[in-house]
Amino acid sequence: DAMVIQNPRYQVTQFGKPVTLSCSQTLNHNVMYWYQQKSSQAPKLLFHYYDKDFNNEADTPDNFQSRRPNTSFCFLDIRSPGLGDAAMYLCATSRPAGLAAYSSYEQYFGPGTRLTVT
Amino acid sequence: AQSVTQLGSHVSVSEGALVLLRCNYSSSVPPYLFWYVQYPNQGLQLLLKYTSAATLVKGINGFEAEFKKSETSFHLTKPSAHMSDAAEYFCAVSEGGGNKLTFGTGTQLKVEL
Repeated sequence: DAMVIQNPRYQVTQFGKPVTLSCSQTLNHNVMYWYQQKSSQAPKLLFHYYDKDFNNEADTPDNFQSRRPNTSFCFLDIRSPGLGDAAMYLCATSRPAGLAAYSSYEQYFGPGTRLTVT
Repeated sequence: AQSVTQLGSHVSVSEGALVLLRCNYSSSVPPYLFWYVQYPNQGLQLLLKYTSAATLVKGINGFEAEFKKSETSFHLTKPSAHMSDAAEYFCAVSEGGGNKLTFGTGTQLKVEL
């Protein structure tokens, strides 16, 4: 089945120790997103790629970086995790549902990676 | 700018009772609207979407939602709740043609015997 895969599902890192979360997709979607979701909150968009074009949200801390080496893979790098970065990190993908200019970019989510910072 | 308001962060219903989760939106252009469900420690799953076709949208697991432009609402309903419906539900809006979603704060649905 076509899907969005996130590895690992659970990640424990130490305060200040760089960590990388990975996302892969078999949907061949051109847009990939990274969200941060804290307990009992809505997902918060960190950034997204439209093909190779990187789009950073204005309030995303510099501590968060991303790489997309090809269509299928996207990585989230946290350079110096703090205790406040403990959260669920969700990857999502989308593509236009139709050819018209107004197309619904419905998003397909992976299962998430729960990050713990000790 | 687009926004979504979900009234009621927690909703509790009895098994077999009607489920009604409220969502109101604000958008400067015709919106696309989505309902997602999230089970504990899982990603979000699309329940249904409105993309300017029929105003009554049917989704998976027996859920449906009605787009009411005059009320700027997109409430989610299910005639008969099941224990397996217990989860968090998010309403989201995308301004037509946009590739970013704005999520509401979510509603935790509890289903009691």
